Amino acid sequence: QQKVQQSPESLIVPEGGMASLNCTSSDRNVDYFWWYRQRSGKSPKMLMAIFSNGEKEEGRFTVHLNKASLHTSLHIRDSQPSDSALYFCAVNSAGNKLTFGIGTRVLVRP
Amino acid sequence: SVLLYQKPNRDICQSGTSLKIQCVADSQVVSMFWYQQFQEQSLMLMATANEGSEATYESGFTKDKFPISRPNLTFSTLTVNNARPGDSSIYFCSSRGTGGAEQFFGPGTRLTVL
Repeated sequence: QQKVQQSPESLIVPEGGMASLNCTSSDRNVDYFWWYRQRSGKSPKMLMAIFSNGEKEEGRFTVHLNKASLHTSLHIRDSQPSDSALYFCAVNSAGNKLTFGIGTRVLVRP
Repeated sequence: SVLLYQKPNRDICQSGTSLKIQCVADSQVVSMFWYQQFQEQSLMLMATANEGSEATYESGFTKDKFPISRPNLTFSTLTVNNARPGDSSIYFCSSRGTGGAEQFFGPGTRLTVL
């Protein structure tokens, strides 16, 4: 079983709409949950990180974390075509290694 | 933060040959990580390299196939030995800045093995 499970695998969102991405870890030793964005042909870049229960908002991006269920979600409101990218959830586990999920491909249609 | 540079940006090689990928950081970093990514799929951690010690490899990756050197705190090289078409992918080096938890990635090296 994958240590980091993401859903959905892909998502089409109308411009101005809300994109919601989910991630669950099977590793109870996780310290941090990370969200990375990788635009086509580019390297991954950290979007947001969360390590305590609750919600964190940065501009149009909001992450939620429920540590009891090891579930995090990323929400993009007022989605723009420039938000089209591959979004990865990643967790820090033993040895401080970063383990990535399979990613969610987001396409924002004008 | 830390800036990472990789060379070459891309390479095309014949099956059975070896090639080196270099990664340079703009500041000293403790650990450098190497990742493999097949076309728009997940990022797989290959190994962790610390200065002056042997790299630690993840399951599915070996020292014989992917030897890694880490001669100092700003530099690492990944070699792909006996390259096969199945090694065609993008290789990223990655590291954390001093005192930080965020992990940064180099621009990647796109390898095509014919």
